[in-house]
Amino acid sequence: GIQVEQSPPDLILQEGANSTLRCNFSDSVNNLQWFHQNPWGQLINLFYIPSGTKQNGRLSATTVATERYSLLYISSSQTTDSGVYFCADGYYNTDKLIFGTGTRLQVFP
Amino acid sequence: GAVVSQHPSRVICKSGTSVKIECRSLDFQATTMFWYRQFPKKSLMLMATSNEGSKATYEQGVEKDKFLINHASLTLSTLTVTSAHPEDSSFYICSAANRAREETQYFGPGTRLLVL
Repeated sequence: GIQVEQSPPDLILQEGANSTLRCNFSDSVNNLQWFHQNPWGQLINLFYIPSGTKQNGRLSATTVATERYSLLYISSSQTTDSGVYFCADGYYNTDKLIFGTGTRLQVFP
Repeated sequence: GAVVSQHPSRVICKSGTSVKIECRSLDFQATTMFWYRQFPKKSLMLMATSNEGSKATYEQGVEKDKFLINHASLTLSTLTVTSAHPEDSSFYICSAANRAREETQYFGPGTRLLVL
C-alpha cells in the first residue's frame, strides 16, 4: 500500500526561525493535505495541495507530484506553532487518507 | 472552516463495559465520516469509513463486532467500543467530509479513552 514518510521526525526551533518539513510518498500523489495537531490533539487543516504552491500567512506548501514529495515551510516560527505536523494522501478513487509519520515541532521563546 | 464536535472528550471505564463516542458535523452535512485511532506519539490509523445510511467499511485488522459504527444521519456518527479492555485505551478521532463540496476532511477534537 501507499507509504508516507515525513522528515525530520523531530524539530526544535527558537522563536523566529524558519523551517522546512518534507513528506515523501511511495506512490503517486492524489489528494495531498497538510495538518497541524496541536498539543491538545486537535487536527487543524493547513493546506489541500495535490500540486503546485499555496501560501497562508507564515505558512506555505509546495507539492511536486511528479517527484512524489511535498514541502511545508514555516517562517518566523512562534511558540503556538508547536505540535505535530502530518501530511496525508488519499487512496486512488477513495475518500480514505493515509497519514504520514509526522514531524514533532517544538518552538521555544 | 467546517466544525466537527466529539463527545465525550475523555472517558474512563471499567473492563467489560461499552463506551459510545459521538461525532457531529455542526455546520455542514457530512456524506462521509471516518474514525481514526491514535496511540501516543504515533500517527493516525484509519479504522473505518461510514457513509450516511449504509454499513461502515472497516480497515483490515479492525474488528467490526468490537467497534460498532453507526451513521444514522448526515450530521451524526457514533463509535461504540464494546466489551472494552485495557488494550482499547487510545485517542479516538473522527472526521467528516462532504465530497460534493470539497475534497478535504474536517476533524473532531478527539476522545481519550482509558479502560481500567
